[in-house]
Order: sequence, then C-alpha cells, then structure tokens
Amino acid sequence: DTEVTQTPKHLVMGMTNKKSLKCEQHMGHRAMYWYKQKAKKPPELMFVYSYEKLSINESVPSRFSPECPNSSLLNLHLHALQPEDSALYLCASSSGPLADLNEQFFGPGTRLTVL
Amino acid sequence: GEDVEQSLFLSVREGDSSVINCTYTDSSSTYLYWYKQEPGAGLQLLTYIFSNMDMKQDQRLTVLLNKKDKHLSLRIADTQTGDSAIYFCAEFDYKLSFGAGTTVTVRA
Repeated sequence: DTEVTQTPKHLVMGMTNKKSLKCEQHMGHRAMYWYKQKAKKPPELMFVYSYEKLSINESVPSRFSPECPNSSLLNLHLHALQPEDSALYLCASSSGPLADLNEQFFGPGTRLTVL
Repeated sequence: GEDVEQSLFLSVREGDSSVINCTYTDSSSTYLYWYKQEPGAGLQLLTYIFSNMDMKQDQRLTVLLNKKDKHLSLRIADTQTGDSAIYFCAEFDYKLSFGAGTTVTVRA
C-alpha cells in the first residue's frame, strides 16, 4: 500500500469555525508533512513530524495546529482562519526525514475554502 | 521556490519530445527530483537523479544534470496526452524546495 489518504476532499468553513484535516498512511513511514499550495504555485512546507514529534514548523500562524496521534495519522486543526488561508492542503510521508533519497509520497489534498 | 527556477509553460504536440528546464542553487543537494502534479491531484515523484550522475534514463524519461551550471532538465520522449500536468523540479536540504512548476500542455 503506497497510498496517502486525506479527508475531507473539500472543506468550506467560516472564519469562526473550528475544523480538522486528516491524513493517514500505512507504509510504515516515520516522517509526515503538511504543505500548503496556492493556485498556480508550488507547495510550501508548513510542518514536519519525525517519529511522531514536531521537528519543523516553518513559522506557521498558530491558527494552524498540527497533531500526530500515532505513526500512521496526521491531523491539522484549523481555527479562526482567514480567507487568504484558502488553498490546497497536502499531506506527505517519507520513510524518515533524513532518509538518503527522501522520497515523499503525497496525498490528493484537501481543498479548503474560507469564507 | 525562489531558489529553484523553471520556465512556466510548455506546449508540445502529441508524439514529440518535451524538454523542461530547471536551475537550482544548493550545490550540496544529494538528489534532485522531478515531481508531477495532475489536475486536482497531489504530487507524484516522477524521477530523481543522484548528484554525482550526469544522466539518468527511465523508460520515456531522461534526466540531464549539469552540476557546473546547476542546470537540470527532464526530457519526455513520445509525449502523450496523459503527460499533461505541472512538473516541479526540487532540491532537498532540510526540506524539499520546489521550483515554480512548468505547465505542460499536450496538443493533438
């Protein structure tokens, strides 16, 4: 199974809502990532979890809160978002954060719209 | 992505070869990568090249690396309609840094 799954596929939320994005992989990977991708732009790294611990936070605003409940799951909790946070949110995993090749497997993403 | 540069658009006739170019800045990258993103989908690692290689061929894909000029290219032979996508080159230091992406459109 070389698949990373993400739910939901689409999410529309108001600026006062609280919602969560979910990501799951069963490849035994020990590194998991959240990326944000705006239209016509490359993905931008937000967070890296390594062995279920947050290892990199790319200065992401606190209205985004990641969580790694176990080695297969990664969540992104959203609260008080702004319209400019509307984007495609991609989850990825790799065997380890400093693995030689660092091949990252991406999920299909959650398309988030903030009204 | 500002350290990795790519041309933004490429239009190619079905059956012709496509060449996508990229320049990068981090000469310490062990690997350089090409990712493909189809509409409405996540990214897929298409191929990669080890930094001490000049060329890598994988079926219809040929990657050329010029370390002196920090130039990377991806050639797709016999381009098909299924090759229409955005192609990102990327380098890795502590994270993947992507280029802006080249949108490849294959016309009949």
